[in-house]
Amino acid sequence: AQSVTQLGSHVSVSEGALVLLRCNYSSSVPPYLFWYVQYPNQGLQLLLKYTSAATLVKGINGFEAEFKKSETSFHLTKPSAHMSDAAEYFCAVSDRSGGSYIPTFGRGTSLIVHP
Amino acid sequence: ETGVTQTPRHLVMGMTNKKSLKCEQHLGHNAMYWYKQSAKKPLELMFVYNFKEQTENNSVPSRFSPECPNSSHLFLHLHTLQPEDSALYLCASTKSGTGGFGELFFGEGSRLTVL
Repeated sequence: AQSVTQLGSHVSVSEGALVLLRCNYSSSVPPYLFWYVQYPNQGLQLLLKYTSAATLVKGINGFEAEFKKSETSFHLTKPSAHMSDAAEYFCAVSDRSGGSYIPTFGRGTSLIVHP
Repeated sequence: ETGVTQTPRHLVMGMTNKKSLKCEQHLGHNAMYWYKQSAKKPLELMFVYNFKEQTENNSVPSRFSPECPNSSHLFLHLHTLQPEDSALYLCASTKSGTGGFGELFFGEGSRLTVL
């Protein structure tokens, strides 16, 4: 079974500071990995995905993530935080069961951005 | 019409009522999902449908009854719910099979309150 661990349920940064959200996964096969963002009272939106091509993946809104197999990590970063980045962020790993993809989600990290 | 649409966005029901949640996707996907999101809890996968066939039922109580008449529509029928069923119910879709990686496209959710 696959699992995802997001370190820190809350991360607080100042506007303009580096954002680093941590994600570690366990998988018996090369994984497909994802980051999603959820704004209040909305569904989740895909930020970026890793599908075994380049290990550094760029996503929307200036976010990027690096796949490190040796560390089983897929941390999300953004060089400079903006107030609009305040949201809940979820890391996920995808597995196949039968003919379906079954994503496993982390518990989420709430990003707080201070002015 | 864009993406994944869920209706109603908000629903209040008594424990003896019967209601339904509707989800429609306009992305040409062939797999659809129901998730439950409760405060302070991880995302809970409820059901998965692939090409209209149910492939996952994550031990969901029978008071939740899914229906998938075609690859674009998904329903969640609700009856005799409990207050602890109050949550945000999220529908998602993806492309299964060749060319898909399991990235999910979510609707904005249906906020259910059970009195």
